[in-house]
Amino acid sequence: SQQGEEDPQALSIQEGENATMNCSYKTSINNLQWYRQNSGRGLVHLILIRSNEREKHSGRLRVTLDTSKKSSSLLITASRAADTASYFCATVRNSGNTPLVFGKGTRLSVIA
Amino acid sequence: DAGVIQSPRHEVTEMGQEVTLRCKPISGHDYLFWYRQTMMRGLELLIYFNNNVPIDDSGMPEDRFSAKMPNASFSTLKIQPSEPRDSAVYFCASRPSTGPNTEAFFGQGTRLTVV
Repeated sequence: SQQGEEDPQALSIQEGENATMNCSYKTSINNLQWYRQNSGRGLVHLILIRSNEREKHSGRLRVTLDTSKKSSSLLITASRAADTASYFCATVRNSGNTPLVFGKGTRLSVIA
Repeated sequence: DAGVIQSPRHEVTEMGQEVTLRCKPISGHDYLFWYRQTMMRGLELLIYFNNNVPIDDSGMPEDRFSAKMPNASFSTLKIQPSEPRDSAVYFCASRPSTGPNTEAFFGQGTRLTVV
């Protein structure tokens, strides 16, 4: 079964606005990762947050993790048309070197 | 490194035919994963290998699906016989064995259409 579930399924915003996507998961995790997928392409890693971290930044990206609620959020600030893509959260379980388990993603459209 | 390389990029085949998808992982990566992506089910893990050995194939949907990794630089996913419901994008990904806190690198995918 899917580990992560993203919310919303689709998001449309104007260029310059901030975009927030949420992810919920079910089991204990070692880390949570966010990936981006442009249409017709493979997934590209954006950022990883470990289970003992609460917040992490990378450029215009800000990720938070709340292990008590089993949830994470990805914030993209000052969005650009080039940010239009699908965004997926993926989790690695606490049992160690296990595969990433993905949610169904959020489709972000940034309108210029 | 050129990244994870998958071939073909697109495959159209008739129902009942055998389909073979190919993947070359990044050199030095010990883990290789096969995922399937559809609109309805999202990204599903089919099987993964560690040091060329299959570790978990519980995601392989049916006996029609098989995967091999004869060496560290090559893996195949075979569907025989193929059915229209197998139509999807199949991704291969690899990851180094430096612990769980590492990212996976994905290929561009193979879009399979079974008619």
